[in-house]
Amino acid sequence: AQSVSQHNHHVILSEAASLELGCNYSYGGTVNLFWYVQYPGQHLQLLLKYFSGDPLVKGIKGFEAEFIKSKFSFNLRKPSVQWSDTAEYFCAVTTYSGGGADGLTFGKGTHLIIQP
Amino acid sequence: NAGVMQNPRHLVRRRGQEARLRCSPMKGHSHVYWYRQLPEEGLKFMVYLQKENIIDESGMPKERFSAEFPKEGPSILRIQQVVRGDSAAYFCASSPPDETQYFGPGTRLLVL
Repeated sequence: AQSVSQHNHHVILSEAASLELGCNYSYGGTVNLFWYVQYPGQHLQLLLKYFSGDPLVKGIKGFEAEFIKSKFSFNLRKPSVQWSDTAEYFCAVTTYSGGGADGLTFGKGTHLIIQP
Repeated sequence: NAGVMQNPRHLVRRRGQEARLRCSPMKGHSHVYWYRQLPEEGLKFMVYLQKENIIDESGMPKERFSAEFPKEGPSILRIQQVVRGDSAAYFCASSPPDETQYFGPGTRLLVL
């Protein structure tokens, strides 16, 4: 069974700082990778996803992530964060079993706080 | 296009009662997934359904929990004889053929 590890449970940054949130997964086969964000009081929203192709994926709100297959990693980055990026960030992976996508396996999340 | 709808948003039950959580997928989505989020934990997959079929229920507790996605109407997650440990946020997601899952706002269940 696959698992997802997010290295930092809490991250505090100042506005305009650069961000990198780590995500590693364990699964030997083909995976689909996702980052979701949950703003305070809101539900999960998709930030970006990787299915195949260019391993550098660009998402909404200036976020990007790079899939490094050899490292089983899918780290999330943003060059300059804003106060409105304060949220919980979840990395997730799913495998395709032929009958449709399997359920997502989530990391425990990273709580990002941006100080003005 | 309305997003994934879940109701109720908040549900309070006493121990031993039944809880029914509803999920209406986005229009055109035929795949529904249920997840549970316990305090300080990430989301845990429970069950994956297509219309009238349970595809994968490997994450469902063996007892008291059941799910359905009938031909007409919303998907239902049913918890019988609730216990305090069932208190959690329950999220539903739906997906189109490209497998990206879109989440609903969740139902927060509190068992007294």
